[in-house]
This record gives sequence, C-alpha cells and structure tokens, in this order.
Amino acid sequence: DAGVTQSPTHLIKTRGQHVTLRCSPISGHKSVSWYQQVLGQGPQFIFQYYEKEERGRGNFPDRFSARQFPNYSSELNVNALLLGDSALYLCASSPRQGPLYGYTFGSGTRLTVV
Amino acid sequence: SQKIEQNSEALNIQEGKTATLTCNYTNYSPAYLQWYRQDPGRGPVFLLLIRENEKEKRKERLKVTFDTTLKQSLFHITASQPADSATYLCALESGGYNKLIFGAGTRLAVHP
Repeated sequence: DAGVTQSPTHLIKTRGQHVTLRCSPISGHKSVSWYQQVLGQGPQFIFQYYEKEERGRGNFPDRFSARQFPNYSSELNVNALLLGDSALYLCASSPRQGPLYGYTFGSGTRLTVV
Repeated sequence: SQKIEQNSEALNIQEGKTATLTCNYTNYSPAYLQWYRQDPGRGPVFLLLIRENEKEKRKERLKVTFDTTLKQSLFHITASQPADSATYLCALESGGYNKLIFGAGTRLAVHP
C-alpha cells in the first residue's frame, strides 16, 4: 500500500511568486494536515482538513490556503512568496480526525524561495 | 506562554546502552502525547502515543512515560543500535485534537 505522497519533492521559486503543493493521503484516510518545518525546528501546524472541510488553522498569514478534494487529496497554496517561506512542507494523513491513530507523514516538499 | 522543550544538544551513546530523551511542556494540558522519529530529509515517522491516564507505554525496545504532574514525558530506547540514530520529536495535541504541537527534537547518535 502506498504511503503519503507529496509533489513536487523540490521546488525553487522567486519572491512574490505563487506555489501549489500537492498531497495524496493513504487510501482510506480522510484527514489531511499540513505542516511547515524550518531547518532545526519541529514541524509547525498550518491546516487540517477532514471530510473536505477545514477543521483547524495554525498561526499563518492569509497568503497560505488549502483545500481537500472529494478523493481526499489536498493542495496547499502560498501566494506572494517571501524568503522566510523557505522550508520543508509536510503533509500528514490519518484515518479520522484527531490524534488517536498517529499521523503518517509524507517525505515533504522542499521549497526554496530566492 | 506555551512551550515544549526537548534537549537541544545531541545525545551520543554507545551501542547496547539505553537512550533516554526528555520532553517538557508548560501551559498545556494535553490528553495525548506522541513521539516521532525523523531521519534527514524525510518526514517524521509515528512511534508511540500515550494518553494522559497512562503512566507508561511499551513497544518492542521503546518505552514512553507520561507524568502530567511534572508535565514531562521520557522516551527510552533499550539495547540501542546505530540504526536508531535519528532525531526524535515529541508532539502533543492542542486545539481540540485538530493539531499537533511539536518540540524541536533531540538528535540521537548511537556509536558502534
């Protein structure tokens, strides 16, 4: 069974541009969360979606948005990129909303803003 | 303010010894605490979850304790192996189970 898949794996963008990151959860998992991980720090929560609805939002500006599709895959969009948005973006899936089952993370998308 | 603190310095131990990692938190009252392993360039891998009413949880060579009075969790790896070398992250639930708050992680290096 495939794990959580994220695309692309690496991306280089220029300040001010827009980026879309994609995530396919494990088959049957209805919850998808997005995290940002800056080098040397732990992942920081951005969004959670469950059954196609936003169920949680972290302390990130409105330049960050996301959505979940009927097949439970998800996109994270970031507008007007800043140098500080350079990070590893992680997607995590779980069978249901809530932490009881642990989260399965993808390998992430490494975004570099120049 | 709310904080999760893990040892920032790397932990270096000899193969076969027990590694003990610490996670302290302040101004949280989590119902669950989780531990993850992260290898360089990869996403975290879920290891164990412990509930607030559980004092201890075991899985093979791993053991986690959770003391809600001390606001601390300890993570033990017994009979450590070089393959256990990685960064270990603790995470607790916050905001009505919808998000995890992670510590910065502790890097473990097991030497042959």
